[in-house]
Amino acid sequence: QQPVQSPQAVILREGEDAVINCSSSKALYSVHWYRQKHGEAPVFLMILLKGGEQKGHDKISASFNEKKQQSSLYLTASQLSYSGTYFCGTEIAGTSYDKVIFGPGTSLSVIP
Amino acid sequence: SAVISQKPSRDICQRGTSLTIQCQVDSQVTMMFWYRQQPGQSLTLIATANQGSEATYESGFVIDKFPISRPNLTFSTLTVSNMSPEDSSIYLCSAGTSGREQYFGPGTRLTVT
Repeated sequence: QQPVQSPQAVILREGEDAVINCSSSKALYSVHWYRQKHGEAPVFLMILLKGGEQKGHDKISASFNEKKQQSSLYLTASQLSYSGTYFCGTEIAGTSYDKVIFGPGTSLSVIP
Repeated sequence: SAVISQKPSRDICQRGTSLTIQCQVDSQVTMMFWYRQQPGQSLTLIATANQGSEATYESGFVIDKFPISRPNLTFSTLTVSNMSPEDSSIYLCSAGTSGREQYFGPGTRLTVT
């Protein structure tokens, strides 16, 4: 039931772009994205509630393909501050409460 | 958004004892959750803390081991009972808002010796 994330890890130079993918074997109600820096709590980035929805957040955006049960997080023109572990979280369609199951995470390192 | 505080921030406990972790939210929220996270790992949901009723536990977690209270819409506690070294982990609480996003507390780092 845990979503799958890819890649496991990525190293970028400042200014480069990255895509992190999240897929589920179950039909989804929503997809969440969070970033966690070492020793800190996860921080909410965005939530996608509708199939095909795309959301933007400065140079970080995401899409949600409800049919394919997939979401992608796009980081453009990466900055050093983007380093951290990115988790997608999925809410399974048909469940009765706002339970989120988190993926294994993608470690992203941005170097100068 | 919501601001979450947790205490203690860390503790070292002896095997067989219990620890209660407190979680306070700065505003009323419908949903509160408790997670466990091993270093370098993902977040594992322990339970959903329901106000006025028993918590809803995930597979592999039981009330006798992890009793949870939720006396009102801003506060919850998680107790880790009869601890063993395998319980050493970071415990996080989160609050779910009406927009369904979750805001996390800073975590409690527990070491069981």
